[in-house]
Amino acid sequence: QSVLTQPPSVSAAPGQKVTISCSGSSSNIENNYVSWYQQFPGTAPKLLIYENSKRPSGIPDRFSGSKSGTSATLGITGLQTGDEADYYCGSWDGKVFGGGTKLTVL
Amino acid sequence: EEQLVESGGGLVQPRGSLRLSCAASGFPFSHYWMSWVRQAPGKGLEWVANIIPDGSYTDYVDSVKGRFTISRDNAKNSLYLQMNSLRAEDTAMYYCAREVHYAFEIWGQGTMVTVSS
Repeated sequence: QSVLTQPPSVSAAPGQKVTISCSGSSSNIENNYVSWYQQFPGTAPKLLIYENSKRPSGIPDRFSGSKSGTSATLGITGLQTGDEADYYCGSWDGKVFGGGTKLTVL
Repeated sequence: EEQLVESGGGLVQPRGSLRLSCAASGFPFSHYWMSWVRQAPGKGLEWVANIIPDGSYTDYVDSVKGRFTISRDNAKNSLYLQMNSLRAEDTAMYYCAREVHYAFEIWGQGTMVTVSS
């Protein structure tokens, strides 16, 4: 049972936009930075978003992050088949993660 | 290129021990907080332990306290995880990761630990 709650799966068509939610509490998300990670099967996670909404160098602006209260959201626009992966949110206090969301690009 | 490379995983019996290593290159290792994060087969991510740059402070997830020890050798640009009294539930891919900006910025490729008789 993960501390942060994510939907197990989301799907959308190529070119469309998708959002992935991450729900927590005042003990984690509300009072701490949120980060997001992308993981392809058999590979290590990759940082997509840090400090709620900032993108590391090399991450396209199709990926965005936001936070409000005890929830955070990852947005991906202009979906590509290459975006199919598992996505994890993380909250810095306690270094907890969500259970992951599998993105399918139909 | 900034890189982390883990090693030392393998098959170990319950109550056994294993020492993982993580070799860092391409960045000033001694400047950074470092963590170990694990992922059980088919499951999500779980932070395990971290250590500050000079090694004087460490922290652990409750489930490994008293069994695992994180350490580092800045002269060798290396991070370690000594795992004792291993249990079946410790079976996972273990990643070392660099902490920056309240996130895990760089990850190694992982090393698999399987605890089974």
